[in-house]
Amino acid sequence: AQSVTQLGSHVSVSEGALVLLRCNYSSSVPPYLFWYVQYPNQGLQLLLKYTSAATLVKGINGFEAEFKKSETSFHLTKPSAHMSDAAEYFCAVTDTGRRALTFGSGTRLQVQP
Amino acid sequence: GAVVSQHPSWVICKSGTSVKIECRSLDFQATTMFWYRQFPKQSLMLMATSNEGSKATYEQGVEKDKFLINHASLTLSTLTVTSAHPEDSSFYICSASDPAGTSGSYEQYFGPGTRLTVT
Repeated sequence: AQSVTQLGSHVSVSEGALVLLRCNYSSSVPPYLFWYVQYPNQGLQLLLKYTSAATLVKGINGFEAEFKKSETSFHLTKPSAHMSDAAEYFCAVTDTGRRALTFGSGTRLQVQP
Repeated sequence: GAVVSQHPSWVICKSGTSVKIECRSLDFQATTMFWYRQFPKQSLMLMATSNEGSKATYEQGVEKDKFLINHASLTLSTLTVTSAHPEDSSFYICSASDPAGTSGSYEQYFGPGTRLTVT
């Protein structure tokens, strides 16, 4: 069975500071990993995805994530936070067999001025 | 990019009535669509996998007679909440995968969600 753990339900950073959102996964087969962002009362927007190509993945809005198999991690980072980054972020995993996504519990990012 | 729409975006209904939510892939054909449910301040939980032309596959604990899913065409899946109760109030989100896309079947495109409130 697959699972995703997001450490920290709330993360608060200052504008301009580094953003680090943590995601650890569990999968018995090679995974596909995703980060999504959700603004209030909206659907999910894909930030980036890992599909067994390069381990360092660059996404939209300056976000990137690194797949580390040895640590079973896929942490999301952004060098400099903007106020517009304040939202809920979800890490998700799937594999070639399942296709449906298993989501982490989410991390709410607050950006302080 | 691939676009998925949902209709309605919000709906209020009385307890005991049924509500239908539509999920459409606008610019691609989706053989598989997924229905998720999200309670306030919680994550998304998969309810069912909808396959075009066949019966949906429901996750454990999801009542198939209460949440009827129909995927009659390659661009449309519907979720009908039958005999709705206040505890069915939630945010329902659909997604679809595009087998012809660059990521094959593994990337999902999400609809904007439907807020259901049962009074």
